[in-house]
Amino acid sequence: AQSVAQPEDQVNVAEGNPLTVKCTYSVSGNPYLFWYVQYPNRGLQFLLKYITGDNLVKGSYGFEAEFNKSQTSFHLKKPSALVSDSALYFCAVSLNRDDKIIFGKGTRLHILP
Amino acid sequence: DAGITQSPRYKITETGRQVTLMCHQTWSHSYMFWYRQDLGHGLRLIYYSAAADITDKGEVPDGYVVSRSKTENFPLTLESATRSQTSVYFCASSHNRVSYSNQPQHFGDGTRLSIL
Repeated sequence: AQSVAQPEDQVNVAEGNPLTVKCTYSVSGNPYLFWYVQYPNRGLQFLLKYITGDNLVKGSYGFEAEFNKSQTSFHLKKPSALVSDSALYFCAVSLNRDDKIIFGKGTRLHILP
Repeated sequence: DAGITQSPRYKITETGRQVTLMCHQTWSHSYMFWYRQDLGHGLRLIYYSAAADITDKGEVPDGYVVSRSKTENFPLTLESATRSQTSVYFCASSHNRVSYSNQPQHFGDGTRLSIL
């Protein structure tokens, strides 16, 4: 069965510093990987996805993610954090021809001014 | 405006009552989903639908019923609410299978349900 893990419940980063939110996955096949962000009292918003091709995927709001097949990871990154990046981030995985996405438990990102 | 709306945004009810959460989308998306969000569990899929009159169970379907008579609506019913069903419920839609879409899923803003 496919699964996704976010090993950190919370990540704290100073404003202006680079940030990384970690995600690892387990699937039997080629994964489709996603990152979503959730702001307070709102639904999830799509940030970026990896299907195939370049291992570095660029998304919304200056975020990017690196797919690493050997380490089965898909970490979310941003070169310079903003206070407004503070939110809950979800990694998710799906398989080709699958109808649904499996979400991780989420990582709360705090950007400190 | 086009979008996905959930109603009500907040609901308080008592154990044993029936409660229905509504979800409406204006994109004519084929797929619709219901999730619950709980601390420590992230998002868990309750039910989903690939098209009108086609529904399927997700990870945590027990105690819930869904229907999809029209493409744009996907109501979720708790037939006899229990305290363990206190949660935030999110509806989502997508045009196609998530692996085929550029925008995999669009989410509503959720319904916060408290069962006393």
